[in-house]
Order: sequence, then C-alpha cells, then structure tokens
Amino acid sequence: NAGVTQTPKFQVLKTGQSMTLQCAQDMNHEYMSWYRQDPGMGLRLIHYSVGAGITDQGEVPNGYNVSRSTTEDFPLRLLSAAPSQTSVYFCASTDPGVEQFFGPGTRLTVL
Amino acid sequence: AQSVTQPDIHITVSEGASLELRCNYSYGATPYLFWYVQSPGQGLQLLLKYFSGDTLVQGIKGFEAEFKRSQSSFNLRKPSVHWSDAAEYFCAVGPYGGATNKLIFGTGTLLAVQP
Repeated sequence: NAGVTQTPKFQVLKTGQSMTLQCAQDMNHEYMSWYRQDPGMGLRLIHYSVGAGITDQGEVPNGYNVSRSTTEDFPLRLLSAAPSQTSVYFCASTDPGVEQFFGPGTRLTVL
Repeated sequence: AQSVTQPDIHITVSEGASLELRCNYSYGATPYLFWYVQSPGQGLQLLLKYFSGDTLVQGIKGFEAEFKRSQSSFNLRKPSVHWSDAAEYFCAVGPYGGATNKLIFGTGTLLAVQP
C-alpha cells in the first residue's frame, strides 16, 4: 500500500504558467481533498470530491480546478499561476468517519 | 463561523517535561476533533481523534487529549516529552457523522524541545 502519493515534490513556475499537481491513492477511498498550507495559516481546503465525477469547492477555490474521473486520481490544476499560489499543497484521502490520510505534499513556488 | 484556535504559536519545553498544547474550537454542531503532527518537510500524521464516548482519548507516541464540551476545548497532553516530539502540531475539527474530508485546521503550534 503506497497510501497517498503526490507528484511533483517541488515545482517552480513563472506567473501565468499552468500546471497540474498529481494525486493518487490506492486505498479505494471515495473521498479526497486538496489543501494548501501557508505559514501561520494552517491548512485550508481548496476542493474536495466525494466520488468519481463529483467535486465541490472548499474555503479557497479561486484559481484552481479539479476533476475526478477515477476513484484513484484527483489532480489539481492551476490554469494561470500567480505568486499568491506559492504554497505547500497537500492531497488527502478519507476513510469516512475514521481518518484522513495525507500525502507528502508538493512545494510550489510561483515567480 | 466555524474555526479552530491554537493560541500558542511556538512552545519550547525541556526534554522530560510535561506538555500541554491548547485547542479551542467554534462549531455549530457536535464536532469530530483531531490532532495531527507534522515533522519538517513531511506530511501530516494523525495522533488521535475524538468522535464520541470517553472524553479522554489516547493516541500514538504517548499523547492524549481531553474533550471538554463546556469549554469548547480539545487540549493535547504528554507527560514526558522526548526530543523526537519536536514538530508542528495541528488541531482540526470536522462534521459529526460526516465524511471528515472537510476539516478545518488551526494555525498550528510549533514545538521545540530543549535537551
């Protein structure tokens, strides 16, 4: 069991570039989430999904898109990166009513 | 508004001393409560959780936490801190009976351990 995997670990973008942060889980969980972590602000929910084809917005969704075509994968897209999106991004997979499992994170810098 | 407050941004304790990290929450319904730990450059690991029942819950690595409904608190404790406990600790709240995939996190407490 790999748990939750995220790629890449590190990424540097220029303002206006696009990219996709990848997230995959092998625990067959329906629920998955994306958070961003900024100093002094804890983790904030960006988007979440309750199953393939079903996604919804969290606290800070602006500038991010998600889709969920399979149970295993939940990619996060930045269509036009901005310096304000410099952050550490965590993907999580949830066993409902039990525990949320976090990936190792992607550290993104937007210049 | 739903929120989690961790009033201590940074705490330093001596190895072997006791530890208490504070967490207060504001939530419109009965919550699920969690404590996570994050080592530098790592993801989050669940220490313990409270869903219902006994208000004193035991977790991994010798941690425990007590749910006090009247005080809207869920403080984390450890009787004797080890150097390896140095990390950042996050309290989180989620919807009771819900999917727990929409957690609200506090801003974290950074723990330093002196030899």
